[in-house]
Amino acid sequence: EVQLLESGGGLVQPGGSLRLSCAGSGFIFSSNAMSWVRQAPGKGLEWVSSIGATSGNTYFADSVKGRFTISRDNSRNTLYLQMNSLRAEDTAVYYCSRGGQYTRSHFDYWGQGTLVTVSS
Amino acid sequence: DIQMTQSPSSLSASVGDRVIISCRASQGISSNLAWYQQRPGKVPKLLIYAASTLQSGVPSRFSGSGSGTDFTLTISSLQPEDVATYYCQKYDTGPPLTFGGGTKVEIK
Repeated sequence: EVQLLESGGGLVQPGGSLRLSCAGSGFIFSSNAMSWVRQAPGKGLEWVSSIGATSGNTYFADSVKGRFTISRDNSRNTLYLQMNSLRAEDTAVYYCSRGGQYTRSHFDYWGQGTLVTVSS
Repeated sequence: DIQMTQSPSSLSASVGDRVIISCRASQGISSNLAWYQQRPGKVPKLLIYAASTLQSGVPSRFSGSGSGTDFTLTISSLQPEDVATYYCQKYDTGPPLTFGGGTKVEIK
Protein backbone atom coordinates (compact mmCIF):
# COMPACT_ATOMS: atom_id res chain seq x y z
CA GLU A 1 0.00 0.00 0.00
CA VAL A 2 1.37 3.38 -1.03
CA GLN A 3 1.76 5.75 1.92
CA LEU A 4 3.09 9.27 2.20
CA LEU A 5 3.65 10.75 5.64
CA GLU A 6 4.52 14.40 6.08
CA SER A 7 6.15 15.91 9.14
CA GLY A 8 7.85 19.11 10.22
CA GLY A 9 5.00 21.57 10.24
CA GLY A 10 4.38 24.01 13.05
CA LEU A 11 4.27 27.62 14.12
CA VAL A 12 7.06 29.89 12.89
CA GLN A 13 7.58 33.63 12.98
CA PRO A 14 7.65 35.72 9.80
CA GLY A 15 11.10 35.57 8.28
CA GLY A 16 11.78 32.20 9.86
CA SER A 17 12.58 28.83 8.35
CA LEU A 18 11.08 25.36 8.46
CA ARG A 19 11.88 22.04 6.80
CA LEU A 20 9.13 19.66 5.86
CA SER A 21 9.71 15.97 5.27
CA CYS A 22 7.64 13.35 3.49
CA ALA A 23 8.40 9.67 3.98
CA GLY A 24 7.21 7.38 1.22
CA SER A 25 6.54 3.66 1.49
CA GLY A 26 4.84 0.90 -0.45
CA PHE A 27 6.40 1.84 -3.79
CA ILE A 28 9.79 2.30 -5.43
CA PHE A 29 10.38 5.86 -4.28
CA SER A 30 13.16 6.56 -6.78
CA SER A 31 10.87 5.81 -9.72
CA ASN A 32 8.45 8.70 -9.20
CA ALA A 33 8.54 12.45 -9.44
CA MET A 34 7.28 14.07 -6.24
CA SER A 35 5.59 17.35 -5.48
CA TRP A 36 4.38 19.63 -2.75
CA VAL A 37 0.91 21.19 -2.92
CA ARG A 38 -0.46 23.60 -0.33
CA GLN A 39 -3.87 24.79 0.73
CA ALA A 40 -4.35 27.98 2.70
CA PRO A 41 -7.22 27.98 5.20
CA GLY A 42 -10.51 28.02 3.32
CA LYS A 43 -8.78 28.30 -0.05
CA GLY A 44 -8.08 26.09 -3.04
CA LEU A 45 -5.13 23.91 -3.97
CA GLU A 46 -1.89 25.57 -5.01
CA TRP A 47 0.99 23.68 -6.60
CA VAL A 48 4.23 24.66 -4.83
CA SER A 49 7.15 22.60 -6.15
CA SER A 50 8.13 19.43 -7.98
CA ILE A 51 11.26 17.34 -8.28
CA GLY A 52 12.16 14.68 -10.80
CA ALA A 53 12.66 11.05 -9.83
CA THR A 54 16.43 11.36 -9.72
CA SER A 55 16.55 14.93 -8.35
CA GLY A 56 17.86 16.25 -11.65
CA ASN A 57 15.07 18.75 -12.22
CA THR A 58 13.34 21.01 -9.72
CA TYR A 59 10.49 23.46 -10.26
CA PHE A 60 8.85 26.13 -8.14
CA ALA A 61 5.77 28.30 -8.17
CA ASP A 62 6.57 31.99 -8.63
CA SER A 63 5.17 32.64 -5.15
CA VAL A 64 7.95 30.62 -3.49
CA LYS A 65 10.80 30.84 -5.99
CA GLY A 66 14.04 31.89 -4.33
CA ARG A 67 12.71 31.11 -0.84
CA PHE A 68 11.88 27.39 -0.98
CA THR A 69 14.10 24.46 -1.96
CA ILE A 70 12.93 20.97 -2.79
CA SER A 71 15.14 17.91 -2.47
CA ARG A 72 14.90 14.17 -2.00
CA ASP A 73 16.96 11.35 -0.56
CA ASN A 74 16.05 8.22 -2.47
CA SER A 75 18.14 6.08 -0.11
CA ARG A 76 15.83 7.18 2.71
CA ASN A 77 12.64 7.31 0.60
CA THR A 78 12.15 10.87 1.77
CA LEU A 79 11.14 14.14 0.14
CA TYR A 80 11.98 17.52 1.67
CA LEU A 81 10.84 21.10 1.39
CA GLN A 82 13.14 23.71 2.91
CA MET A 83 11.17 26.90 3.47
CA ASN A 84 13.06 30.13 4.20
CA SER A 85 11.98 33.75 4.61
CA LEU A 86 8.51 32.61 5.51
CA ARG A 87 5.58 35.01 5.17
CA ALA A 88 2.09 35.05 6.60
CA GLU A 89 0.73 34.09 3.18
CA ASP A 90 2.69 30.81 3.36
CA THR A 91 0.33 29.65 6.11
CA ALA A 92 -1.29 26.49 4.76
CA VAL A 93 -1.57 22.75 4.95
CA TYR A 94 1.26 21.33 2.89
CA TYR A 95 0.62 18.05 1.09
CA CYS A 96 3.22 15.73 -0.35
CA SER A 97 2.05 14.03 -3.54
CA ARG A 98 3.31 11.34 -5.89
CA GLY A 99 3.59 11.95 -9.59
CA GLY A 100 4.46 9.68 -12.45
CA GLN A 101 7.81 8.87 -13.99
CA TYR A 102 8.15 12.51 -15.06
CA THR A 103 7.17 15.79 -13.42
CA ARG A 104 4.55 16.41 -16.12
CA SER A 105 2.02 14.10 -14.51
CA HIS A 106 -1.01 13.98 -12.28
CA PHE A 107 -0.82 13.09 -8.59
CA ASP A 108 -2.16 9.65 -7.74
CA TYR A 109 -1.36 9.57 -4.02
CA TRP A 110 -1.37 12.30 -1.40
CA GLY A 111 -0.18 12.47 2.18
CA GLN A 112 -2.36 13.61 5.07
CA GLY A 113 -0.73 17.03 5.10
CA THR A 114 1.18 19.06 7.66
CA LEU A 115 0.08 22.49 8.85
CA VAL A 116 2.46 25.42 8.64
CA THR A 117 1.45 28.58 10.47
CA VAL A 118 3.47 31.75 9.98
CA SER A 119 2.61 34.26 12.67
CA SER A 120 4.21 36.43 15.31
CA ASP B 1 1.74 30.40 -17.87
CA ILE B 2 -1.47 28.56 -18.65
CA GLN B 3 -4.43 29.48 -16.46
CA MET B 4 -7.18 27.04 -15.50
CA THR B 5 -10.70 28.39 -14.97
CA GLN B 6 -13.49 26.31 -13.47
CA SER B 7 -17.21 26.98 -13.58
CA PRO B 8 -19.39 27.25 -11.71
CA SER B 9 -17.57 28.02 -8.48
CA SER B 10 -20.36 26.31 -6.56
CA LEU B 11 -23.56 24.45 -7.27
CA SER B 12 -26.42 22.84 -5.41
CA ALA B 13 -28.21 19.82 -6.83
CA SER B 14 -30.56 17.09 -5.70
CA VAL B 15 -29.61 13.49 -5.10
CA GLY B 16 -29.85 11.65 -8.40
CA ASP B 17 -29.26 14.75 -10.52
CA ARG B 18 -26.71 14.91 -13.30
CA VAL B 19 -23.96 17.38 -12.43
CA ILE B 20 -21.55 18.93 -14.92
CA ILE B 21 -18.45 20.91 -13.96
CA SER B 22 -16.41 22.78 -16.55
CA CYS B 23 -12.71 23.53 -16.71
CA ARG B 24 -11.14 25.76 -19.35
CA ALA B 25 -7.44 26.14 -20.09
CA SER B 26 -6.11 29.45 -21.41
CA GLN B 27 -4.09 27.51 -24.00
CA GLY B 28 -4.40 24.03 -25.44
CA ILE B 29 -3.19 21.23 -23.18
CA SER B 30 -4.18 18.24 -25.29
CA SER B 31 -5.66 15.68 -22.87
CA ASN B 32 -3.23 16.39 -20.04
CA LEU B 33 -5.85 17.14 -17.43
CA ALA B 34 -6.73 15.56 -14.09
CA TRP B 35 -9.73 15.93 -11.78
CA TYR B 36 -9.56 15.65 -8.00
CA GLN B 37 -12.22 15.39 -5.33
CA GLN B 38 -11.70 16.88 -1.88
CA ARG B 39 -14.38 16.04 0.65
CA PRO B 40 -14.74 18.42 3.61
CA GLY B 41 -11.76 18.08 5.94
CA LYS B 42 -10.15 15.37 3.81
CA VAL B 43 -7.18 14.91 1.54
CA PRO B 44 -7.59 15.45 -2.22
CA LYS B 45 -8.24 12.27 -4.18
CA LEU B 46 -7.51 11.60 -7.85
CA LEU B 47 -10.68 10.86 -9.81
CA ILE B 48 -9.72 11.14 -13.47
CA TYR B 49 -6.51 11.62 -15.44
CA ALA B 50 -5.72 12.03 -19.11
CA ALA B 51 -9.03 13.93 -19.28
CA SER B 52 -11.20 10.81 -19.36
CA THR B 53 -9.44 7.86 -17.67
CA LEU B 54 -11.10 6.83 -14.44
CA GLN B 55 -8.69 6.16 -11.58
CA SER B 56 -8.97 2.67 -10.13
CA GLY B 57 -11.68 2.37 -7.50
CA VAL B 58 -13.57 5.52 -8.53
CA PRO B 59 -17.32 4.94 -9.07
CA SER B 60 -18.44 4.79 -12.68
CA ARG B 61 -20.93 7.65 -12.17
CA PHE B 62 -17.91 9.93 -12.57
CA SER B 63 -16.72 10.65 -16.08
CA GLY B 64 -14.50 13.16 -17.82
CA SER B 65 -14.33 14.47 -21.34
CA GLY B 66 -12.68 17.11 -23.47
CA SER B 67 -9.36 17.98 -25.01
CA GLY B 68 -7.48 21.09 -26.00
CA THR B 69 -8.93 23.90 -23.89
CA ASP B 70 -12.38 22.72 -22.75
CA PHE B 71 -13.04 19.90 -20.32
CA THR B 72 -15.94 18.60 -18.26
CA LEU B 73 -16.40 16.42 -15.21
CA THR B 74 -19.79 14.75 -15.07
CA ILE B 75 -21.45 13.03 -12.13
CA SER B 76 -24.26 11.04 -13.73
CA SER B 77 -26.33 10.60 -10.56
CA LEU B 78 -25.31 12.74 -7.59
CA GLN B 79 -24.95 10.88 -4.30
CA PRO B 80 -24.68 12.31 -0.76
CA GLU B 81 -21.05 11.18 -0.53
CA ASP B 82 -20.21 13.30 -3.57
CA VAL B 83 -20.47 16.50 -1.51
CA ALA B 84 -17.00 17.91 -2.04
CA THR B 85 -14.94 20.48 -3.86
CA TYR B 86 -13.67 19.38 -7.25
CA TYR B 87 -10.47 20.65 -8.84
CA CYS B 88 -9.04 20.32 -12.30
CA GLN B 89 -5.27 20.38 -12.89
CA LYS B 90 -3.21 20.67 -16.03
CA TYR B 91 0.09 18.85 -16.51
CA ASP B 92 0.86 19.10 -20.22
CA THR B 93 4.39 20.47 -20.48
CA GLY B 94 5.16 20.04 -16.83
CA PRO B 95 5.39 22.62 -14.04
CA PRO B 96 3.69 24.84 -13.16
CA LEU B 97 1.08 22.14 -12.57
CA THR B 98 -1.74 24.63 -12.19
CA PHE B 99 -5.03 23.84 -10.46
CA GLY B 100 -8.37 25.38 -11.23
CA GLY B 101 -10.08 27.42 -8.54
CA GLY B 102 -12.40 24.60 -7.52
CA THR B 103 -16.12 23.86 -7.72
CA LYS B 104 -18.00 23.23 -4.50
CA VAL B 105 -20.85 20.72 -4.87
CA GLU B 106 -23.62 20.62 -2.32
CA ILE B 107 -26.88 18.72 -1.96
CA LYS B 108 -30.08 20.71 -2.34
